[in-house]
Amino acid sequence: EVQMVQSGAEVKKPGESLKISCKGSGYSFTSYYIGWVRQMPGKGLEWLGVIYPGDSDTRYSPSFQGQVTISADNSISTAYLQWSSLKASDTAVYYCVRHRLWHDYWGQGTLVTVSS
Amino acid sequence: QSALTQPASVSGSPGQSITISCTGTSSDVGDYNHVSWYQQHPGKAPKLMMSEVSNRPSGVSNRFSGSKSGNTASLTISGLQAEDEADYYCSSYTSTLVFGGGTKLTVL
Repeated sequence: EVQMVQSGAEVKKPGESLKISCKGSGYSFTSYYIGWVRQMPGKGLEWLGVIYPGDSDTRYSPSFQGQVTISADNSISTAYLQWSSLKASDTAVYYCVRHRLWHDYWGQGTLVTVSS
Repeated sequence: QSALTQPASVSGSPGQSITISCTGTSSDVGDYNHVSWYQQHPGKAPKLMMSEVSNRPSGVSNRFSGSKSGNTASLTISGLQAEDEADYYCSSYTSTLVFGGGTKLTVL
């Protein structure tokens, strides 16, 4: 059974750094892209970007290029989304997804709250 | 790549059929079949309902169907049921992926 299991909720202050994780299981981790999707409170879905763990090919939405970093550790089948300096506007639920031009499996979501 | 355009809301009575539209451009929806649809219930993660315009994943009811004409893709739900009440999002992939703004389906 394919599963995408994300790390737990985070509460941070503006300016702090953060790295959230997503562990893929039940499939060949290096053979599929993993992506990240943002959902701000009460709003729609936004695509941040994807990584192909097989060769680390990474693509970002133009809206998020330079704002976040996507990475992966194949040894533990885990992908990451990180920020170097959080803003209040980063407050959202972040979903990891298995990406195949569409998103067939979704993680449970990680709530990131940024507040002073 | 701009966000795809969906109606903010649609509604229907149990047993009826409804269609949700998703309008893009000749550079995305019109030129590729990489259109997919997602259902999201409140507080839950989205669920894939349709890929590549009209491919229904295993486990998704055959009451859901997808189509495309020109720059507009559509998701049709027949025999509406109370459990279909949710938000629905379309997406299109070219070199990056973009979502529609979402449509709230209300079952009256």
